[in-house]
Amino acid sequence: GNSVTQMEGPVTLSEEAFLTINCTYTATGYPSLFWYVQYPGEGLQLLLKATKADDKGSNKGFEATYRKETTSFHLEKGSVQVSDSAVYFCALNKGGSYIPTFGRGTSLIVHP
Amino acid sequence: DAGVIQSPRHEVTEMGQEVTLRCKPISGHNSLFWYRQTMMRGLELLIYFNNNVPIDDSGMPEDRFSAKMPNASFSTLKIQPSEPRDSAVYFCASTVSGDPPYEQYFGPGTRLTVT
Repeated sequence: GNSVTQMEGPVTLSEEAFLTINCTYTATGYPSLFWYVQYPGEGLQLLLKATKADDKGSNKGFEATYRKETTSFHLEKGSVQVSDSAVYFCALNKGGSYIPTFGRGTSLIVHP
Repeated sequence: DAGVIQSPRHEVTEMGQEVTLRCKPISGHNSLFWYRQTMMRGLELLIYFNNNVPIDDSGMPEDRFSAKMPNASFSTLKIQPSEPRDSAVYFCASTVSGDPPYEQYFGPGTRLTVT
């Protein structure tokens, strides 16, 4: 079946540090890949997505590239801010399916 | 658009009471999902509907949990009787099943506390 594996958190960084949150997946075919963000006290919201190999999704300074050869979709940001403190979820939709598979989430804490 | 609407935002109840959580999906979305989030178990998919029909309820933890979607703009998740271990944040999400890549739109959640 489909699965998504994320690095364990929490990830603790100082403001302006470089961020990487690893995500790898298992799925047949060509799934669509997503990163969702959950700010404290809120629901998840889409951060970025990529629908085919080598696509790069980007939003709010965050980027992730769909790597078919390594089955990965790592999230990166060059300079984090305190306001980026949140839980980040990697997810996939297997091709043709509207049912998502979520990772367990990675908490990011950014200190001033 | 108003987004996915959930009510109540917070619910505190005593063990044994019936609890009803409500969700209004985004207009035009035909698939609706109920999730539960806890620190221990993370985000769990409980049940989902397509065109108001329940498709898969294998994630519903027990018979005490039930969900309905009487029309395209309203769904309920009911717990009867409630127990302290049901304390969690419950999310509703919607999408359009005929419009890939099927990103999900989440509501703000209902934080349930059962004492």
